[in-house]
Parts: sequence; structure tokens; C-alpha cells
Amino acid sequence: GENVEQHPSTLSVQEGDSAVIKCTYSDSASNYFPWYKQELGKRPQLIIDIRSNVGEKKDQRIAVTLNKTAKHFSLHITETQPEDSAVYFCAASTGGTGRRALTFGSGTRLQVQP
Amino acid sequence: GAGVSQSPSNKVTEKGKDVELRCDPISGHTALYWYRQSLGQGLEFLIYFQGNSAPDKSGLPSDRFSAERTGGSVSTLTIQRTQQEDSAVYLCASSLSHVGAYEQYFGPGTRLTVT
Repeated sequence: GENVEQHPSTLSVQEGDSAVIKCTYSDSASNYFPWYKQELGKRPQLIIDIRSNVGEKKDQRIAVTLNKTAKHFSLHITETQPEDSAVYFCAASTGGTGRRALTFGSGTRLQVQP
Repeated sequence: GAGVSQSPSNKVTEKGKDVELRCDPISGHTALYWYRQSLGQGLEFLIYFQGNSAPDKSGLPSDRFSAERTGGSVSTLTIQRTQQEDSAVYLCASSLSHVGAYEQYFGPGTRLTVT
């Protein structure tokens, strides 16, 4: 089955700096890669996703890149703000066909220091 | 519109008791998923319902876990003879099912504590 590895487990940055979180996956059939943000005691919130037919997607300060050959994808947050502090999870699935359930990475705790 | 809802929000039970957790998906979402999140850990897939198809039960950790979905909407996750290692937050998610609709939206979860 699919296996998703996520690094780093914790990340501390200064406000205004950029943050990068990286994930690798094992199943070459995976074609959907979402990122979720989870604040303490809250539900995971979908913040951005990418499908296998594109290499990069951007939404304001957040961007995701995908390298299908190397089977890795990354989340980039620019101009970080204290409210970006949370746990971020990457995930992968064969969305649309096959197994649609998500396989999650172990999470990255991001702390933005004001 | 209303998001995914779950009940109860918290459940404390004694070891060996059975528990039922409920999930109401977003109206019109025919796909429903259950995940488990242990303290400080990532999310672990449990079971997936897609319309009238047989559910994907490949993530259920033991035969003490079961789930059903009645009328293609509400789902109930049942844990029999609960053990302390079952303590976790149980999250439900739902999504549309047509081609290209991959986004899953999560409920607030049920925090289960087995004493």
C-alpha cells in the first residue's frame, strides 16, 4: 500500500520568513496530493491540493510543488505569520479511481515566532 | 451550508464496553471516510463508503471495529469491547464522488477515552 513520509517533524521560523515542508510517497499510482492544516483541538482544514497533471500550484502565500518522477511534493509558505502556526499534514491518494482514502504523513508542527 | 458533523464530541467509556460514534456528512456527498488520530499522531484510515458499493474496510485494525452507513447518508462507527489503545480522536470526512472531485472535508471529531 501507499506510504507517505513527511519532514521535518517540527519547524520553527521567524515571522516573515519562508517555511518548506517536504513529503515523499511510494505508490506511483497516486495522483492526488492535498495538504491539511490542523490547529490545536480543531479539525484538519484543506489548505491546498495538487493533482498529478500539474507540477506547481499557488494560492496567495501558499504553494505546492510536485515531482512525479522522484515521487515527492512540497508545501511552501512565504511571509509567514503567527497565525500560520499549526500542524500541517500532507497526504496522497489515487483520487477519482481506485482507492480514494487518503494516506497521511506524520505531520509537521510549524511554529512562527513573532 | 452545514459541514460534516459528528457526535458525541467527547466519549469516556470503561474498558470492555461498546461505543457508537456518529457522522453526518455534507448533504449530497456520497463518499464517506472514517479516520483515527491518536494523540500527537497523524491520521490513520479506517473505512471508506462510496455510494452503494461495498465499503473498503482495509484500514480497520481489528474485528472489534465495524461501521455502517444507512440510506447513503449517516454513518455509525462501532467499537466493541473497547481497549485502552482505542483511545483517540475519530474523524469523519466526506466528499463528492464524480470524476475530479477529490476534496475531503472533515468533521470536528469524537474524542474517545477508554479508562
